[in-house]
Amino acid sequence: KAGVTQTPRYLIKTRGQQVTLSCSPISGHRSVSWYQQTPGQGLQFLFEYFSETQRNKGNFPGRFSGRQFSNSRSEMNVSTLELGDSALYLCASSFGDQISYEQYFGPGTRLTVT
Amino acid sequence: GNSVTQMEGPVTLSEEAFLTINCTYTATGYPSLFWYVQYPGEGLQLLLKATKADDKGSNKGFEATYRKETTSFHLEKGSVQVSDSAVYFCALSYPGGSEKLVFGKGTKLTVNP
Repeated sequence: KAGVTQTPRYLIKTRGQQVTLSCSPISGHRSVSWYQQTPGQGLQFLFEYFSETQRNKGNFPGRFSGRQFSNSRSEMNVSTLELGDSALYLCASSFGDQISYEQYFGPGTRLTVT
Repeated sequence: GNSVTQMEGPVTLSEEAFLTINCTYTATGYPSLFWYVQYPGEGLQLLLKATKADDKGSNKGFEATYRKETTSFHLEKGSVQVSDSAVYFCALSYPGGSEKLVFGKGTKLTVNP
């Protein structure tokens, strides 16, 4: 069974630009969550999508947005990039049934903002 | 609010030494508890989990027991290997409408031959 895939793996953007990251969940998983990982703040929850609906959202500004498609693939978008947005962005998928709560992570997208 | 506190690292051990990484949590209700491991340059891998009090999660020689009375979920391994060198994260997920994970800060483990 294929794991969670994220594209691209690496990105370099300039301050003020926008970026879109993509995540393909494990087949059969309907929930996709996004996390930001930085050395200073650690792992922080961005948002979760389940059946194309945002089910929960973390404490991030509105520049961070996401969506989920009918095939459960998800994208997240960051507009007006700031230097502080440089991070590893991790996507995780799960069944979303709120029973097992097991999330499976992709390898991440390393975003560098210059 | 819900939070996870795990011991500060880094932790450096010799091969075959005993490992303990402490993790305590604060949560309303009865969360599920997890240990994830992150190898250099990779995403997180689920190491083990426990979903109710007194459950013991185990995998690859690692164990952790869900202790409700002490709100703890300490990770242990009897004999570490060089290949166990990684960053370990304790996390919780609580019921209530989503599967958001709340993570501890992570503990970097280095095992020397």
